[in-house]
Amino acid sequence: DAGVTQSPTHLIKTRGQHVTLRCSPISGHKSVSWYQQVLGQGPQFIFQYYEKEERGRGNFPDRFSARQFPNYSSELNVNALLLGDSALYLCASSPMVRFNQPQHFGDGTRLSIL
Amino acid sequence: SQQGEEDPQALSIQEGENATMNCSYKTSINNLQWYRQNSGRGLVHLILIRSNEREKHSGRLRVTLDTSKKSSSLLITASRAADTASYFCATDAGGGSEKLVFGKGTKLTVNP
Repeated sequence: DAGVTQSPTHLIKTRGQHVTLRCSPISGHKSVSWYQQVLGQGPQFIFQYYEKEERGRGNFPDRFSARQFPNYSSELNVNALLLGDSALYLCASSPMVRFNQPQHFGDGTRLSIL
Repeated sequence: SQQGEEDPQALSIQEGENATMNCSYKTSINNLQWYRQNSGRGLVHLILIRSNEREKHSGRLRVTLDTSKKSSSLLITASRAADTASYFCATDAGGGSEKLVFGKGTKLTVNP
């Protein structure tokens, strides 16, 4: 079975632009979570979506938004990009909403802001 | 904010030796999970230990949890060069706080 897939793998943007990152969960998984991982740090939780509804939000500004589609794939949008948004953006999926089960991660999108 | 704090930040050992990594956290948890990340890749789930468990094994991995000290340890026995990676602990506080909180990680290097 295919794992979690993310696109694109790499992206270069300039300050002030916006970006859309995409994630396809494992078939049958209804929960998708997004994380930001700055170099040398652990992943930081941004959002969780389950059954197309936002179920959790981390401490990120309103420039960050996300949505989940009927096929459970998800998009993360970031507006007005700042240099500090440069990071690896990870998507994880799981069958249920609770985090009492393993999370399955994609290989991420490396976003560089110039 | 990052709840978990791994210790040490970096660890370098020889193949065949054991590697121990520690994780401390701040609030009550439902469960604690350990993940591995190879350079530039996604995270791979290793083991999940629930708050009412004290020890769990999976192959060469042994995880302990001490909720009174708010700490956990990950032991990798008979390490291999392929174990070279960063290791993260992640906590699930539950109780309506639907998120997984990761520590800063331990970078393990296993020298052949």
